[in-house]
Amino acid sequence: EAGVTQFPSHSVIEKGQTVTLRCDPISGHDNLYWYRRVMGKEIKFLLHFVKESKQDESGMPNNRFLAERTGGTYSTLKVQPAELEDSGVYFCASSQDLQGFGAFFGQGTRLTVV
Amino acid sequence: GNSVTQMEGPVTLSEEAFLTINCTYTATGYPSLFWYVQYPGEGLQLLLKATKADDKGSNKGFEATYRKETTSFHLEKGSVQVSDSAVYFCASCTSGTYKYIFGTGTRLKVLA
Repeated sequence: EAGVTQFPSHSVIEKGQTVTLRCDPISGHDNLYWYRRVMGKEIKFLLHFVKESKQDESGMPNNRFLAERTGGTYSTLKVQPAELEDSGVYFCASSQDLQGFGAFFGQGTRLTVV
Repeated sequence: GNSVTQMEGPVTLSEEAFLTINCTYTATGYPSLFWYVQYPGEGLQLLLKATKADDKGSNKGFEATYRKETTSFHLEKGSVQVSDSAVYFCASCTSGTYKYIFGTGTRLKVLA
């Protein structure tokens, strides 16, 4: 069974450019989460989808970040325009139910804004 | 608010040494506790978990016991291997919620 897959694995962009990260969750998982680890700090929650609906986006840092989940399948996280402080590793996770079994995480996308 | 604190790294050990990575938490309610591991070039993998006080999670020789009285969930392994070199994250998730609260991660390097 395929795990959570994220694209790209690395991205280097200039300040002011746009970047779109993609996450393909495990098939059948209604819950999809985005997290971010900045500068070796703790991994922080960004938002949560249940199917195509945003359940909680309280962790989104500002309106330069836009997450979508078309048809309740894969999700994208767009950063526009990117700033230097957006650099970090963006993790996607999915789960079948809200808790109990632990969410499955992807390998992360390392974003570097220069 | 809820938080997870884990020991600063990096931790460097010789092969077959004993490992302890400390983790403490603060939470309202009764969280489930997790250890995730990130091997080089890979994603976060669930290593072990415990859902209530005095539970012991174990996997691949690693163990952690949910200690409510000390609000701790320390990770231990009796004999580490080079292949255990990775970053280890302690995390909590409060019942009825879905947000993981992670610690800052501890990098472990095991030397042959």
